[in-house]
Amino acid sequence: GDSVTQMEGPVTLSEEACLTINCTYTATGYPSLFWYVQYPGEGLQLLLKATKADDKGSNKGFEATYRKETTSFHLEKGSVQVSDSAVYFCALSDQASGDNQGGKLIFGQGTELSVKP
Amino acid sequence: NAGVTQTPKFQVLKTGQSMTLQCAQDMNHEYMSWYRQDPGMGLRLIHYSVGAGITDQGEVPNGYNVSRSTTEDFPLRLLSAAPSQTSVYFCASSTGQGQQPQHFGDGTRLSIL
Repeated sequence: GDSVTQMEGPVTLSEEACLTINCTYTATGYPSLFWYVQYPGEGLQLLLKATKADDKGSNKGFEATYRKETTSFHLEKGSVQVSDSAVYFCALSDQASGDNQGGKLIFGQGTELSVKP
Repeated sequence: NAGVTQTPKFQVLKTGQSMTLQCAQDMNHEYMSWYRQDPGMGLRLIHYSVGAGITDQGEVPNGYNVSRSTTEDFPLRLLSAAPSQTSVYFCASSTGQGQQPQHFGDGTRLSIL
């Protein structure tokens, strides 16, 4: 079945450091890929998405490129801030699953990021 | 701009008790779902609904029931609470199209003693 694998955390960085959180996936169809962010005590918020190969999603300085050849969707940011401290989830929605199940998300295990001043 | 509203935010139950977690959305979304979040396991799908009157099981449905009598509401029922159901529960809604993101509530933190 479909699955998402993220690099394990926690990840601790100093402010202004570069961030990469690895995400790889397996899917039988043509998935859309998402990064969600969860700030402490809150629900998940969409950070960015990409719906087809070679698409680049971006938001708030974060970027991720849909790489079909390597089945990857790594999250990157050039300079992190303390306010970026959160848990980041990579997820896929397999549009080929049929039966109007296009809303189902499969999540990775989450990566906790802590940014120190 | 309520979005997805979950109640209660916190709940403590004793083993064997039953309760209902409430979820309501005001975006006229057809698709609603319930996830549980456990440390190191991401979010796992419990049940979902593609429209009023239609529900189906997700990855971890045992011990939970759902119903969808209206587009807006999608309650999750724990029939006989067990310590293994201690978790954070999230309700989400979307248009149901795979390209569209899901909108999440703030979660219900449930402890079963």
